[in-house]
Order: sequence, then C-alpha cells, then structure tokens
Amino acid sequence: AQSVTQLDSQVPVFEEAPVELRCNYSSSVSVYLFWYVQYPNQGLQLLLKYLSGSTLVKGINGFEAEFNKSQTSFHLRKPSVHISDTAEYFCAVRNSGYSTLTFGKGTMLLVSP
Amino acid sequence: EAGVAQSPRYKIIEKRQSVAFWCNPISGHATLYWYQQILGQGPKLLIQFQNNGVVDDSQLPKDRFSAERLKGVDSTLKIQPAKLEDSAVYLCASSPTSNEQFFGPGTRLTVL
Repeated sequence: AQSVTQLDSQVPVFEEAPVELRCNYSSSVSVYLFWYVQYPNQGLQLLLKYLSGSTLVKGINGFEAEFNKSQTSFHLRKPSVHISDTAEYFCAVRNSGYSTLTFGKGTMLLVSP
Repeated sequence: EAGVAQSPRYKIIEKRQSVAFWCNPISGHATLYWYQQILGQGPKLLIQFQNNGVVDDSQLPKDRFSAERLKGVDSTLKIQPAKLEDSAVYLCASSPTSNEQFFGPGTRLTVL
C-alpha cells in the first residue's frame, strides 16, 4: 500500500520570501508523484507532476519540486511567494501500474504582506 | 475547453435524509472519479469508473452510498440515508489518461 505524509499542516510565510512544502511517501513499487493546489471553495488544480526523467520538475506559477528516491521525498519549492499563493497544497502519489491517487492531508500556505 | 461541472455546489440536509450529486466530466474523458474530502484531510477516492464500468469501489460505503455512470458520460453519487460523518466536500474528477486528473469545484454537503 502507498501513503503520503505532509509534515506541516500550516506554513506561514511573508510575501517575497522563499518557501518549501515537504512531502514524503511510502511505496513498495515505482511511483508517480503530483502536487495539487486548492484555492478556497474550488477544486484541485495540478501544479506539477513527476513521471520519469529529470528529478527536478517545474510547474505552473513558478513552483518546482525535486524527486528524491533515496529519501522518498518530493518537496515543493518556490523562490518568492505572492499573496495569491495562499491556498492549500496537496501531495499525491500513485503506483506506476495503477491509476488511483493517494493524497496527503494537505499543507495550508499562508502568505502575509 | 469546459471543465468538470458539478451540482449542486452546496447542500444542507438532516441526518437520515437522502441526497444526490451530479457530475459532468470533460468531453472525451473516459475515466471518472468521485472523492470525499473531509475538513482538514486530503481527498479520498470513493469510486472510479472507466467509461460506464466500475474499476475501483473498494472504499465506497456500499450500505449507504451508490454511484452510477450511465452511457459513460455523466455520473451521479447518492447517499441514502445520510449520517453526520458524511459532511464533507464531494469532488468529481475526470481524466483522459491516468497521468492527470481534472477536478470539478466540488459539492459541500452539511448533514445536521
């Protein structure tokens, strides 16, 4: 079985500061990894995904993530956040041979001026 | 391109009542998913359809929840009877492949 751990339930940060949202996963087989963002009262939107190839993945809105197989991590980073980045961020994993996603509990990113 | 549509957006019912949610996926997407998102948690898959067949319903509480996808397009999710712990956001998603799912805005259900 696969699982996802997002260690921080909330991350407060000031505007223009860098941010890292942590995600660790467990799986006995090869995995695909995803980060989704959820703005208030909206559905989830895909930020980026790792399927194969380069371990550094770039997504929308200036976000990037690095897949680290040895540490089973897929942390999300942004060098300079904006107020508009305030939202909940979900890490998700699925086994390479199966389409079901398993989500973490989410990290609320709170950006203040 | 139109996104995944869901209705209603909000629903308040009393426990033991019935409720139904509707989802219209993106045109051409063969796979449709229903998720339950309880406050403070990530989405949990309830059921996955491939066209109009069920692929995975292992986490669907079948004594009270049911879902169908007639003609492989629209889908409905029903709860009968509802319990307090069913209060959640119900998300529908669709995908053309297994590598990306597109989510609708969700239906927020409150059971009193």
